[in-house]
Amino acid sequence: KNEVEQSPQNLTAQEGEFITINCSYSVGISALHWLQQHPGGGIVSLFMLSSGKKKHGRLIATINIQEKHSSLHITASHPRDSAVYICAVRLIIPAGGTSYGKLTFGQGTILTVHP
Amino acid sequence: GAGVSQSPSNKVTEKGKDVELRCDPISGHTALYWYRQRLGQGLEFLIYFQGNSAPDKSGLPSDRFSAERTGESVSTLTIQRTQQEDSAVYLCASSLVAGAGFFGPGTRLTVL
Repeated sequence: KNEVEQSPQNLTAQEGEFITINCSYSVGISALHWLQQHPGGGIVSLFMLSSGKKKHGRLIATINIQEKHSSLHITASHPRDSAVYICAVRLIIPAGGTSYGKLTFGQGTILTVHP
Repeated sequence: GAGVSQSPSNKVTEKGKDVELRCDPISGHTALYWYRQRLGQGLEFLIYFQGNSAPDKSGLPSDRFSAERTGESVSTLTIQRTQQEDSAVYLCASSLVAGAGFFGPGTRLTVL
């Protein structure tokens, strides 16, 4: 089982719909990231979360540390939101460890928004 | 420059040859990461540089892979004796502190 699981793997929506992408992880983390990868391959960091909720424009990201779960919501979706959305976590490193920078990635959710 | 740049953008090589990929991070970013994304698969961490600390090489898949970084500037990822399974997009990212960072456009490596 992967340490980071995303669902759904594929998501198709009509323009204007509210979209939710989920991320569950099985390990202790210090932070969780949501990334967006455009069809051309470029990757943009959307959010970094360690608790609670963050909002940027039509995007909202939430995290529940106790349940080891995060969601990315897109309100009023638009075709330009079509991309792969990737969840990534930074593991809690035991004392003496050095891997503070390492991210562990989910497989991504392919979102297609039709006009 | 305004963002992270990588070169070359595309590289086609023959099996067994060595390749060198370059990453120019955003000026002043102390953290630099290399990732790999094979076709149809998720991102894989390869190596992480943070300032003058020893790099975290835990993601390098074999001893054919190595990376260097000079201070807080350019980094090169070298793959020796390339194999077909090395074909992937190699992505570099940099950040001020440890975080997902700003990603470069990637180098698409094809090993024939």
